[in-house]
Amino acid sequence: EDKVVQSPLSLVVHEGDTVTLNCSYEVTNFRSLLWYKQEKKAPTFLFMLTSSGIEKKSGRLSSILDKKELSSILNITATQTGDSAIYLCAGGAGGTSYGKLTFGQGTILTVHP
Amino acid sequence: DGGITQSPKYLFRKEGQNVTLSCEQNLNHDAMYWYRQDPGQGLRLIYYSQIVNDFQKGDIAEGYSVSREKKESFPLTVTSAQKNPTAFYLCASSFLQSYGYTFGSGTRLTVV
Repeated sequence: EDKVVQSPLSLVVHEGDTVTLNCSYEVTNFRSLLWYKQEKKAPTFLFMLTSSGIEKKSGRLSSILDKKELSSILNITATQTGDSAIYLCAGGAGGTSYGKLTFGQGTILTVHP
Repeated sequence: DGGITQSPKYLFRKEGQNVTLSCEQNLNHDAMYWYRQDPGQGLRLIYYSQIVNDFQKGDIAEGYSVSREKKESFPLTVTSAQKNPTAFYLCASSFLQSYGYTFGSGTRLTVV
């Protein structure tokens, strides 16, 4: 059974802090690692990582994949209250299950003013 | 506009009842997925379908059933065998062999 584990499960910081969210995966025929942000209802896509060691950035958010360690991190610098959300990591399978995503438990991030 | 629609947004179920959650997409996506989310937690896969008239169990299929008679529709039935159905249910769709999921807005099911 595929498995994705995130840590920490919850995190409380103040505006301006930098946070690092962790994700480890065990996914059969692993293809890609995805990060999502979920504020209320539907998760919104942040990053998809396929190649190891290549950082993807979007504004204050960045992410990197380590295929050797079967892990990924999501960094958020200069946090804002609008960053408060559940951050979900998902492992993408290949082979006959190509397209299937296995999600982690999520990290609940709370940013206080 | 193309999208994925889940209905109803809120649903209340009495113990012992079966209820059906609707998921419809007009994106011409081949694959459709049902996930369950408990408060403050991640998404767990219930069922998925990559083609009409075919579907596979996910990690927590017990107590649930699905059908895929049309490409556009993937309804989920929560049966009375599901002992703890109170949760938020998300439907998603994508092209075959793609991680580009489009999510619906979800259905919040509560047992009363």
